[in-house]
Amino acid sequence: AQTVTQSQPEMSVQEAETVTLSCTYDTSESDYYLFWYKQPPSRQMILVIRQEAYKQQNATENRFSVNFQKAAKSFSLKISDSQLGDAAMYFCAYYFGNEKLTFGTGTRLTIIP
Amino acid sequence: NAGVTQTPKFRILKIGQSMTLQCTQDMNHNYMYWYRQDPGMGLKLIYYSVGAGITDKGEVPNGYNVSRSTTEDFPLRLELAAPSQTSVYFCASSYDSWAYEQYFGPGTRLTVT
Repeated sequence: AQTVTQSQPEMSVQEAETVTLSCTYDTSESDYYLFWYKQPPSRQMILVIRQEAYKQQNATENRFSVNFQKAAKSFSLKISDSQLGDAAMYFCAYYFGNEKLTFGTGTRLTIIP
Repeated sequence: NAGVTQTPKFRILKIGQSMTLQCTQDMNHNYMYWYRQDPGMGLKLIYYSVGAGITDKGEVPNGYNVSRSTTEDFPLRLELAAPSQTSVYFCASSYDSWAYEQYFGPGTRLTVT
């Protein structure tokens, strides 16, 4: 079974600053998908960003971008210009082939006003 | 367009009781999923379905049952509730495979006492 590791259980950042959440994964495959999901205090989880491993270019969505290092099996999420609404649990997830989506244990992000 | 809806939002069960958690999606998605999230933890897959009439076990299926008679509905049945089933339950759906974005419902908080 694949594993997804989020080594930072909690992070905090000053409002308007930039923060990076780390994620590493274990795989021997070359063509897979990676995701960052956000779970705000209201609990409903939403997709933040999706990366296809065969694409070299890092995915971006407005203030959210990833640093995808395929050889290092690393998929970090950078949030620029942090806002109070970014406060949430962030989950990294991995998917390949006929396997199921594997989630990390999450990072709780606090935004300091 | 309501997305994924779940009922009830909250429920308290006594040990040994049974109940059904309802999940409906209006996006005509083929794939549907049930997850549980224990406090401070990530998501664990209970069951999933790739289309009407087709279901399969996930990581933690014991004590649960599912059915998928229509594309829209994917109810989760708890038989003989146990305290270990105290958790928040999330239903999700995706268009065609695990590689696509999963859309989550708001969750059901279940307490078994």
